[in-house]
Amino acid sequence: NAGVTQTPKFQVLKTGQSMTLQCAQDMNHNSMYWYRQDPGMGLRLIYYSASEGTTDKGEVPNGYNVSRLNKREFSLRLESAAPSQTSVYFCASSELDGGLGTQYFGPGTRLLVL
Amino acid sequence: AQSVTQPDIHITVSEGASLELRCNYSYGATPYLFWYVQSPGQGLQLLLKYFSGDTLVQGIKGFEAEFKRSQSSFNLRKPSVHWSDAAEYFCAVDDNNDMRFGAGTRLTVKP
Repeated sequence: NAGVTQTPKFQVLKTGQSMTLQCAQDMNHNSMYWYRQDPGMGLRLIYYSASEGTTDKGEVPNGYNVSRLNKREFSLRLESAAPSQTSVYFCASSELDGGLGTQYFGPGTRLLVL
Repeated sequence: AQSVTQPDIHITVSEGASLELRCNYSYGATPYLFWYVQSPGQGLQLLLKYFSGDTLVQGIKGFEAEFKRSQSSFNLRKPSVHWSDAAEYFCAVDDNNDMRFGAGTRLTVKP
């Protein structure tokens, strides 16, 4: 099992460009999550999907959109990137939602917006 | 809104010494509580979690944590630190899929 995979590993964007971060899990988990990690702030939840076909906003959703393409895949889109979105992005998945399941994290995507 | 506080940004301990990392949360009910560890350039790995029951929770790699409701704390401990424990540690609180992380404590281990 690969667990949670993320692509790309690293990306540089110019302000105003768009991109999609991809995440896939092979553990047959129902719930998937997108976080951003910034120095001194820990991880902050952007969006989550408790099950296929549903998505909900987290703590910092502004400037992002998500798609739960199927049970395996959960993508994060930046329509018009801003320097404030420079961060490390982590995808995670869990078998159960509501905190009952352990979240498994991908290796992260480092995004630099110039 | 609920919040998680890790008062220590950086801690240095000698190899073989004991370790305690502090975590306090602000939340009305008893949430689900977690400790994660992150090695440089890696994702997060779960060390342990508390949902209910026994307030002393055992985790992987010899770590344990104690939930103290009266202090709203969930401190992480290890009796004897190994050099490989050097990493960043995050306390987290989950209330119905609203996961909040502390800012993290970076652990340095001296030989």
